Amino acid sequence: KQEVTQIPAALSVPEGENLVLNCSFTDSAIYNLQWFRQDPGKGLTSLLLIQSSQREQTSGRLNASLDKSSGRSTLYIAASQPGDSATYLCAGDNYGQNFVFGPGTRLSVLP
Amino acid sequence: NAGVMQNPRHLVRRRGQEARLRCSPMKGHSHVYWYRQLPEEGLKFMVYLQKENIIDESGMPKERFSAEFPKEGPSILRIQQVVRGDSAAYFCASSPGRGYEAFFGQGTRLTVV
Repeated sequence: KQEVTQIPAALSVPEGENLVLNCSFTDSAIYNLQWFRQDPGKGLTSLLLIQSSQREQTSGRLNASLDKSSGRSTLYIAASQPGDSATYLCAGDNYGQNFVFGPGTRLSVLP
Repeated sequence: NAGVMQNPRHLVRRRGQEARLRCSPMKGHSHVYWYRQLPEEGLKFMVYLQKENIIDESGMPKERFSAEFPKEGPSILRIQQVVRGDSAAYFCASSPGRGYEAFFGQGTRLTVV
């Protein structure tokens, strides 16, 4: 049974810092790994999808990597801004059957 | 191309009533997933559907809950005889196929009073 954990649970940083969010999963048979952002009381916004054959994806100030052998993914946010404040969720996709979500990292970027 | 549309956004039901939650996937998407997020908890998978078929309902409670995705129209998550413990945010996601990027709706927040 796939289990996903995220460290840290919460993070508070000053504006401009680079930061790393960590995601670990127990089953290396994971197919895709997707990172989402959730603002309070809102839905999920897809940030990056790392497909099975890929090892990383980049979008603007975001970079996500996937290492199936170690069961880890990281989300790197460069030059953080107050608008980046949200909960960040990673989810492992068992070949489209369903996503298993981690509990999230609650990020606060202070101006 | 509109995103995944869920309605209503907020739904209040008294104990024992029925709740119907609707999800219209993105255009061209034939795969729909439902998730539940209980207060202060993570998202839990409920059911995965393709048009007219339930592919995986392993996360769905055995009683009172049902889901469908008809040939025409939105996907429906139906909760019969709601109880206070059903109060949660219910999210729908869609994708064009297995292994593709999933996009989520804004959710329906169900409150049972």
